[in-house]
Amino acid sequence: DAKTTQPNSMESNEEEPVHLPCNHSTISGTDYIHWYRQLPSQGPEYVIHGLTSNVNNRMASLAIAEDRKSSTLILHRATLRDAAVYYCILRVANAGGTSYGKLTFGQGTILTVHP
Amino acid sequence: NAGVTQTPKFQVLKTGQSMTLQCAQDMNHNSMYWYRQDPGMGLRLIYYSASEGTTDKGEVPNGYNVSRLNKREFSLRLESAAPSQTSVYFCASSEHGAGLTYEQYFGPGTRLTVT
Repeated sequence: DAKTTQPNSMESNEEEPVHLPCNHSTISGTDYIHWYRQLPSQGPEYVIHGLTSNVNNRMASLAIAEDRKSSTLILHRATLRDAAVYYCILRVANAGGTSYGKLTFGQGTILTVHP
Repeated sequence: NAGVTQTPKFQVLKTGQSMTLQCAQDMNHNSMYWYRQDPGMGLRLIYYSASEGTTDKGEVPNGYNVSRLNKREFSLRLESAAPSQTSVYFCASSEHGAGLTYEQYFGPGTRLTVT
């Protein structure tokens, strides 16, 4: 399975933008890029996902490199509530194009937000 | 909607004891998953059920069994608990199909300690 590489930790100040990078140089053409985050003492929650094009939703934006070997999760204005572990995950699609739901979590990036 | 519920929230077992972790979802999802998370680590998939009546092994299935009781419920059984199974256990569910996000919804977790 293709793997992702993320920095162990990042810091930000409240109300500033945060760019969380993820490398996935062995990504295959049908792998989707998913981001989840895990707040302290909670289960993970979905943030955003994409395949080739940049994506926006109410929580964040996802910028995907043209060669798809890297991506960046963008939090436009960090709040204290955004302090969490952020996981970049590749969701594998099988050769027939039917995607499995299985996710493989790495260690993620611990985001600290300072007031 | 309660989403994904897990019982119990906390459990302490002695080595060799058995127990069943319960999980239920009320979102009519086809797929359900069991993960474990050790301190400072990402989640690892134990077992998953792509649909009612099917179960498959994940990354770390040894020492566990599962039952997909019906579409709503997916239980995880430890037949003979070992200290290495001390962990936080998360259940998740998702829907899959063309055009869907495959977003996984997670329960609050069960904190299990085996002494």
